[in-house]
Amino acid sequence: AQKVTQAQTEISVVEKEDVTLDCVYETRDTTYYLFWYKQPPSGELVFLIRRNSFDEQNEISGRYSWNFQKSTSSFNFTITASQVVDSAVYFCALSGSGTYKYIFGTGTRLKVLA
Amino acid sequence: ETGVTQTPRHLVMGMTNKKSLKCEQHLGHNAMYWYKQSAKKPLELMFVYNFKEQTENNSVPSRFSPECPNSSHLFLHLHTLQPEDSALYLCASSQEGTNYEQYFGPGTRLTVT
Repeated sequence: AQKVTQAQTEISVVEKEDVTLDCVYETRDTTYYLFWYKQPPSGELVFLIRRNSFDEQNEISGRYSWNFQKSTSSFNFTITASQVVDSAVYFCALSGSGTYKYIFGTGTRLKVLA
Repeated sequence: ETGVTQTPRHLVMGMTNKKSLKCEQHLGHNAMYWYKQSAKKPLELMFVYNFKEQTENNSVPSRFSPECPNSSHLFLHLHTLQPEDSALYLCASSQEGTNYEQYFGPGTRLTVT
């Protein structure tokens, strides 16, 4: 069975601190895809990144970076120098190859305090 | 308009009412999805349409009835709902084929009284 675990329910940091959001997944597929989404208070989920299981290179996009480690089945997300606008709920998701089923974690609520 | 739009944004309905949620995407995608988001629960995939054909029905009760007249529009028809159906209903779209990232609408906040 496929599963995504985001053990951190809520994290609070002070502006400019770095913060890492954890994501651990379970799957028996050899080919799969991992995603991160941001859900601000307005409600819509915003796509941040998609990574396939064969690409373990870490990725950096501005203040955002992602660390994919197949050995530990983790796909962690780090925000550097956090800002108040980063306050949102962040979801990690998993999709097996050839399926429309996306498994989402329960989300991590990030509060960045000024 | 751009992206994925949903109407209405808020809906309050009684258990005997019939209502419909509407979703429209302006991204040229061919796959569309309905999700249910309840408090303290993971997002639940309800239905998937690819090129107007339903490809997934995730054991959703028959009081929820989807309709996809074309690749840009998706509806969720609601009838005789229960209070536990109160949730945020999110629509999403993606490129055709599997495993692509999804683009979400702002959701409809549904309250069943």
